[in-house]
Amino acid sequence: DAKTTQPPSMDCAEGRAANLPCNHSTISGNEYVYWYRQIHSQGPQYIIHGLKNNETNEMASLIITEDRKSSTLILPHATLRDTAVYYCIVGNQFYFGTGTSLTVIP
Amino acid sequence: SAVISQKPSRDICQRGTSLTIQCQVDSQVTMMFWYRQQPGQSLTLIATANQGSEATYESGFVIDKFPISRPNLTFSTLTVSNMSPEDSSIYLCSVALRGTGWREQYFGPGTRLTVT
Repeated sequence: DAKTTQPPSMDCAEGRAANLPCNHSTISGNEYVYWYRQIHSQGPQYIIHGLKNNETNEMASLIITEDRKSSTLILPHATLRDTAVYYCIVGNQFYFGTGTSLTVIP
Repeated sequence: SAVISQKPSRDICQRGTSLTIQCQVDSQVTMMFWYRQQPGQSLTLIATANQGSEATYESGFVIDKFPISRPNLTFSTLTVSNMSPEDSSIYLCSVALRGTGWREQYFGPGTRLTVT
């Protein structure tokens, strides 16, 4: 499974877009990109996944570069409830990395 | 989606004892998973528990320490046996749904275990 690299922490102002990057330069052609988040003291929550095309759902947008070596999760209008650890996973979605701790600031 | 509950939500146990954690799903699912999350750490997959077959354990986890039952399509248990303080963690179950092509996992709220 491809390894992912995420910044350990990020801040975002409330109401602004939160852009969370993920590098996965060793991704292979059939490996999906998954995003989950874990709000403090809760179980992880599925956000979105994609293979090649950009994806959007009610929670977020996933932008995957053309070479698929990196992706960005976009929360279009961050709220305080979006404060969480965000995990980018490539390939086997059952192996979690260390994630990015996002803090939304009032 | 799926709604998952776990019992107990938390427990404090003495070393050397065992605790069985229950995971209940509101729909029939084939694939269920058990994870451990040690304090301040990410999630680590313990095992996959598919109904009708023996659980498959990840490297570093053994059946004698973490026996798993999967009696039907809506229920599973994980036992943490002969506990030591190093077993203090949050234990989570999850399911993957056929309707999503197995590409979305839904997690329970977790069981917070403290071993003294």
